[in-house]
Amino acid sequence: AQKITQTQPGMFVQEKEAVTLDCTYDTSDQSYGLFWYKQPSSGEMIFLIYQGSYDEQNATEGRYSLNFQKARKSANLVISASQLGDSAMYFCAMREGTAGDKVIFGPGTSLSVIP
Amino acid sequence: GAGVSQTPSNKVTEKGKYVELRCDPISGHTALYWYRQSLGQGPEFLIYFQGTGAADDSGLPNDRFFAVRPEGSVSTLKIQRTERGDSAVYLCASSPFAPNEQFFGPGTRLTVL
Repeated sequence: AQKITQTQPGMFVQEKEAVTLDCTYDTSDQSYGLFWYKQPSSGEMIFLIYQGSYDEQNATEGRYSLNFQKARKSANLVISASQLGDSAMYFCAMREGTAGDKVIFGPGTSLSVIP
Repeated sequence: GAGVSQTPSNKVTEKGKYVELRCDPISGHTALYWYRQSLGQGPEFLIYFQGTGAADDSGLPNDRFFAVRPEGSVSTLKIQRTERGDSAVYLCASSPFAPNEQFFGPGTRLTVL
């Protein structure tokens, strides 16, 4: 069964606008962690943001915020004030169980920022 | 260097050959992960080490794939009798014991002809 679902294979956003990238996950664990990574065309994987399942506040890192809805098993990434350099693949990922367990990635969403 | 390094950056081999891919994690990171990424897809988990031992190798596709980390730092992913379907970018990542973040290397692009 698919553990991480990203239903948007491709997204477009106007420069300076906000965009939401969707992610839903499937786990029966109570303790887990959720990640978002960015992968530009250069191929490097860049960590963006992390949310623990017990964190009550939504995680934020600069222009990135994670809209965590635990009951819906949803962990959407919100990018505010999009920049041309935000054009990349974005992957949602989940670590199940205690810290250090394996991390499963979703299929990714390709984001294109239009000037 | 301060980051995760992987060698070689590119490897071209012939079907049936044996290859070794190396990962140097960030110093002090006890957890090390191997992933395989095919074009247009997300990274696929292969194996995870905590220290010297493989804590989870459930992602290794078959017994042609093997990985070691004998001293708890450098890791080698070994692929025997390579097949064309093994062609992909192999990514390595490391993290502290209680990771909220994985630090990825640049990857090794493996091409099996």
